[in-house]
Amino acid sequence: QKEVEQDPGPLSVPEGAIVSLNCTYSNSAFQYFMWYRQYSRKGPELLMYTYSSGNKEDGRFTAQVDKSSKYISLFIRDSQPSDSATYLCAMSHGGYNKLIFGAGTRLAVHP
Amino acid sequence: ETGVTQTPRHLVMGMTNKKSLKCEQHLGHNAMYWYKQSAKKPLELMFVYNFKEQTENNSVPSRFSPECPNSSHLFLHLHTLQPEDSALYLCASSPGGGTEQYFGPGTRLTVT
Repeated sequence: QKEVEQDPGPLSVPEGAIVSLNCTYSNSAFQYFMWYRQYSRKGPELLMYTYSSGNKEDGRFTAQVDKSSKYISLFIRDSQPSDSATYLCAMSHGGYNKLIFGAGTRLAVHP
Repeated sequence: ETGVTQTPRHLVMGMTNKKSLKCEQHLGHNAMYWYKQSAKKPLELMFVYNFKEQTENNSVPSRFSPECPNSSHLFLHLHTLQPEDSALYLCASSPGGGTEQYFGPGTRLTVT
């Protein structure tokens, strides 16, 4: 079993839709959770960073962590074509420097 | 320059060549990383440096040789690579603690 599971997609939605991206994980020691956005031919860009359980909002983006279910989500409201990218989840138990990544979900937002 | 820069952006090399990838971070961070990204696979951590000292080698073959002369610069020296080493090689940096990592644009490597 992989430590972090993420549906590769692709996920195709119309402009303006609410998008839900998810990851599940197996290691209950994970405490730090991140979402990265990666455009084609670019490096990953840190979008959201959360510690432990709960929600965090930043503009159109909301990150949610449910440690009891070992499940994290990223919601994108009012999705735009510019949101079309691959979204990577990553997590850490806080051990120095070690991030474990999901394989990424490709999202396409069409006008 | 801002953030994390990588050169070259694209590299094609034969299996007998020797080449080097360069990474520079302009964020004042203490830790630097090399990752390998292959199609449809999660990012694979290769090496970690903290304050110029290597703190992690994730069982990487010796044909990949990292070098970190200072906290701002990181190199990956390549020799006698295999076609399966073709991938996007990403450099990242972070402040102490390491959970917020910032990536460069990557070097797309093709081994022929």
